[in-house]
Amino acid sequence: AQSVTQPDIHITVSEGASLELRCNYSYGATPYLFWYVQSPGQGLQLLLKYFSGDTLVQGIKGFEAEFKRSQSSFNLRKPSVHWSDAAEYFCAVQGGSEKLVFGKGTKLTVNP
Amino acid sequence: EAQVTQNPRYLITVTGKKLTVTCSQNMNHEYMSWYRQDPGLGLRQIYYSMNVEVTDKGDVPEGYKVSRKEKRNFPLILESPSPNQTSLYFCASTLLGTGVDGANVLTFGAGSRLTVL
Repeated sequence: AQSVTQPDIHITVSEGASLELRCNYSYGATPYLFWYVQSPGQGLQLLLKYFSGDTLVQGIKGFEAEFKRSQSSFNLRKPSVHWSDAAEYFCAVQGGSEKLVFGKGTKLTVNP
Repeated sequence: EAQVTQNPRYLITVTGKKLTVTCSQNMNHEYMSWYRQDPGLGLRQIYYSMNVEVTDKGDVPEGYKVSRKEKRNFPLILESPSPNQTSLYFCASTLLGTGVDGANVLTFGAGSRLTVL
């Protein structure tokens, strides 16, 4: 069965700084990969997904993620963080016909 | 508007008093699922349904029941709630299939915060 690890529980960055949130997965083949964002008091919203093809995927709100098969990683990046990006971010993996598994999340705080 | 609607959004109840959290989607999705979210544990799947009358246990099904009598509705039932079921609950749905636009991408409801005293 697949699993996913988000090594950072909490990250703080300054507004305007770059951001990288880490995600590592365990699965024997190439899974479907997702990043979701949860703003305070809200449900989860899809930021971006990778199913196949180009390993650099663009998402909403200026986010991108890169699938690296050799590192079993799918890290999320943004060049310049805005205060409105403060939220909790979840990486998720789905292998074949198996169910979707979520990481435990990374909470992002943005300092002015 | 395409959406997943959960009710109630907030509920405080007492141990043992049966309750139902409703979930409805208007996107004709085959797949529906319930998750609970607890601090430090992320989202854990409670139950899921691949289609009408087809339900299966997720990772943490104890103390919960579900039913899928209609495609659009997937209620979560707590027959005898206990304090360890205090949590934030999310319903989600998606289309299934390969190569289908939007398939395998979950749409989430806004969440239901349940407190069991």
